[in-house]
Amino acid sequence: NAGVMQNPRHLVRRRGQEARLRCSPMKGHSHVYWYRQLPEEGLKFMVYLQKENIIDESGMPKERFSAEFPKEGPSILRIQQVVRGDSAAYFCASQGGLGGSSYEQYFGPGTRLTVT
Amino acid sequence: AQTVTQSQPEMSVQEAETVTLSCTYDTSENNYYLFWYKQPPSRQMILVIRQEAYKQQNATENRFSVNFQKAAKSFSLKISDSQLGDTAMYFCAFMRYNNNDMRFGAGTRLTVKP
Repeated sequence: NAGVMQNPRHLVRRRGQEARLRCSPMKGHSHVYWYRQLPEEGLKFMVYLQKENIIDESGMPKERFSAEFPKEGPSILRIQQVVRGDSAAYFCASQGGLGGSSYEQYFGPGTRLTVT
Repeated sequence: AQTVTQSQPEMSVQEAETVTLSCTYDTSENNYYLFWYKQPPSRQMILVIRQEAYKQQNATENRFSVNFQKAAKSFSLKISDSQLGDTAMYFCAFMRYNNNDMRFGAGTRLTVKP
């Protein structure tokens, strides 16, 4: 059973370019979370999605950031017109459901974004 | 809002000895989950141990155990017989029951010395 996959593992973008980060959840999981980790800090929640729905985007910046989880394919976190402050590690986690025994979130290896 | 506090930015321990990492949290909820994650230099987030708030018994996973004090809102991690491979950042995390996002502490950097 493959774990949560994220690609690319490392991404370098110049200021003003777009960054696309992909996350494939564990098989059978329909809940996806995105977190951002700035250097020397803990993870900060950004957005929670289910298939074709954004459930909670309260942690996501209002501008330049968007996320989707289409019916088919991976979840995408998109950052437009990147700035140096966007440099961070972005983690995706998947979950089977809420409550019961399926509450645990399984993390992918992360994508390290560097903006030059 | 829930907050998670890890008051020890860095700690060190001699190999084979025991170390305790502290974590406190603030919530008005009665049902929730608590977690300790390990993040080695590879940056992969690895679940170390979890605790459901409704369970009074402290969770244990091999050399890792927790001291969960619900009234005090404290959730410390004890690592026994420390090994060099335990060197990592350790994050405490809180999640409300039937909710979505996890709240993480700022982390404790643990170094196990030979």
